[in-house]
Amino acid sequence: QSALTQPASVSGSPGQSITISCAGTRSDVGSYTLVSWYQQHPGKVPKLLIYEVTKRPSGVSSRFSGSKSGNTASLTVSGLQAEDEAVYYCCSFAGSTTVFGGGTQLTVL
Amino acid sequence: QVQLVQSGAEVKKPGSSVKVSCKPSGGSLTSHTISWVRQAPGQGLEWMGRIMTVLGIPNFAQNFQGRVTITADISTNTAYMELSSLTSDDTALYYCASEPTTASFDNWGQGTLVVVSS
Repeated sequence: QSALTQPASVSGSPGQSITISCAGTRSDVGSYTLVSWYQQHPGKVPKLLIYEVTKRPSGVSSRFSGSKSGNTASLTVSGLQAEDEAVYYCCSFAGSTTVFGGGTQLTVL
Repeated sequence: QVQLVQSGAEVKKPGSSVKVSCKPSGGSLTSHTISWVRQAPGQGLEWMGRIMTVLGIPNFAQNFQGRVTITADISTNTAYMELSSLTSDDTALYYCASEPTTASFDNWGQGTLVVVSS
């Protein structure tokens, strides 16, 4: 099972919105509404931001939103803040197995 | 939220095995599906496998088939991940995480560093 494809890096200025893509296949993202997103700051444990494509756990800012179209899922971060600078990972169920994306470094300029 | 507490760091020789434990503090293992995820130094997250603790049924990523064993001991309220035939490529931080809905990991252990070195 191959990893999901994410851009290596994205950047934006404070207050702007950015979108991180997560390209999969018909075997994973395209077949299931079981896509999640994680934020990881250096030296920290990953934090769940989005699950089941669009749902936010309690306590996660509404500035984070998820969507999916075909084989590609996306995470949008609106109203960028300095604290959003981190690595973001997508994850998808793939029929008894589960696969992560390679991660995207978000830089807040 | 229940905290997942993992065992301490390990240094292993190539060809040996390592067993990492994961115990929820203040909660029952039977209410969780537990997944194991690893992260090599400076690298991304890699899902290794999961166990549905109530049923004791594991499944594994293809990359680790035949080399990883994931178990849950209900009597000690502890989940385990054992990886065999270690190489230097297995040097990584190993996390357990609870999985309340499939492929979503809401609660992570602190991580266990495994270093494989001769």
